[in-house]
Amino acid sequence: EAGVTQSPTHLIKTRGQQATLRCSPISGHTSVYWYQQALGLGLQFLLWYDEGEERNRGNFPPRFSGRQFPNYSSELNVNALELEDSALYLCASRPVGTATNEKLFFGSGTQLSVL
Amino acid sequence: AQSVSQHNHHVILSEAASLELGCNYSYGGTVNLFWYVQYPGQHLQLLLKYFSGDPLVKGIKGFEAEFIKSKFSFNLRKPSVQWSDTAEYFCAVNAQSWGKLQFGAGTQVVVTP
Repeated sequence: EAGVTQSPTHLIKTRGQQATLRCSPISGHTSVYWYQQALGLGLQFLLWYDEGEERNRGNFPPRFSGRQFPNYSSELNVNALELEDSALYLCASRPVGTATNEKLFFGSGTQLSVL
Repeated sequence: AQSVSQHNHHVILSEAASLELGCNYSYGGTVNLFWYVQYPGQHLQLLLKYFSGDPLVKGIKGFEAEFIKSKFSFNLRKPSVQWSDTAEYFCAVNAQSWGKLQFGAGTQVVVTP
């Protein structure tokens, strides 16, 4: 069974540009979460999508946005990139339902570097 | 606001030493508690979880954690570490109303041969 896949693995952008990160959840998983992992800060929650809808959003500015497609894959868009957006962006998925005691399955992440 | 605190950012110890990583959270309601591990070059993966029942939970690779509700703590332990336990360990907490899994800042553990 394929795990959570993210693309690209690495992305280099300059300040002010836009970045698009993609995530394919495990087959049968309808919930997708996005996290930012910046050095020394742990994982900061960005967004949660379930059944195509945004269910929750972390404390990030509106230039961080995303969507979930009918096949449950997801995109994270970061507009007007700033240097401090440089981080590893992790996607995670969870099976059908919203059981909060179920574990998340993580992808390998996209390393975004903003120059 | 909900928060998860991990007491140590870096831990260095020798093989066969005992490991204990602290985790505290701030929330008065019912929570689910997790420890995730990220081995070098690998995905984050679940080590163990607690959501009800026996507060002492056992996970993979000989790890265990104890939930102490009165202390809002969920500390991770392993009696005798191996070099292969070198990894970053994350405590995580969620509750039904949160809509997210809240992570701590992580503890980088290095086990020397």
